Amino acid sequence: QKEVEQNSGPLSVPEGAIASLNCTYSDRGSQSFFWYRQYSGKSPELIMSIYSNGDKEDGRFTAQLNKASQYVSLLIRDSQPSDSATYLCAVNIGAGGTSYGKLTFGQGTILTVHP
Amino acid sequence: DGGITQSPKYLFRKEGQNVTLSCEQNLNHDAMYWYRQDPGQGLRLIYYSQIVNDFQKGDIAEGYSVSREKKESFPLTVTSAQKNPTAFYLCASSIPSGRVSYNEQFFGPGTRLTVL
Repeated sequence: QKEVEQNSGPLSVPEGAIASLNCTYSDRGSQSFFWYRQYSGKSPELIMSIYSNGDKEDGRFTAQLNKASQYVSLLIRDSQPSDSATYLCAVNIGAGGTSYGKLTFGQGTILTVHP
Repeated sequence: DGGITQSPKYLFRKEGQNVTLSCEQNLNHDAMYWYRQDPGQGLRLIYYSQIVNDFQKGDIAEGYSVSREKKESFPLTVTSAQKNPTAFYLCASSIPSGRVSYNEQFFGPGTRLTVL
């Protein structure tokens, strides 16, 4: 089982729709969770961080965390063509100092928003 | 402007050569990281450093070496022992925040290394 696994893509949604990206992780002790956006040929850009169960909203983005189910998701409302990118889920695997400073990344989900 | 710089943007290496990739940050971050990304894949950790003069191996350290002589700089050397070095190399930095590591990492623009 992969430590961090994202829903297989690519994902295609029409402009204005909600895009839903999902990620599961294997270690129950994980403390912090991140979503990065990566445009083709560019480096990843941090768009959301979440540390507690529940929802966290930032503009059109909502991150959802459920530690009991070991599941984190990213919702993009009113999707725009400029949201077309690869989205990477990253998890700070392990608790506290045992894997301090290490993020484990999923393989990424390609999102295409078509006009 | 605060940020992370990597150079060069593109690098071509002949087989058997060592090459060094530069990473500099002026964000006053304590921790720095090197990742490798292959086409269609996520990021894999090569090395990381939480303080000056200290660094740890990541998941794929074989064939790579690093140094951390200054807080601002964390160069990566890809040695001839790395069998498949063609990849996109990304440097990141973060400020560790105590016992529970929130560890938001911010990336430089990357270096594309191609072995000829």
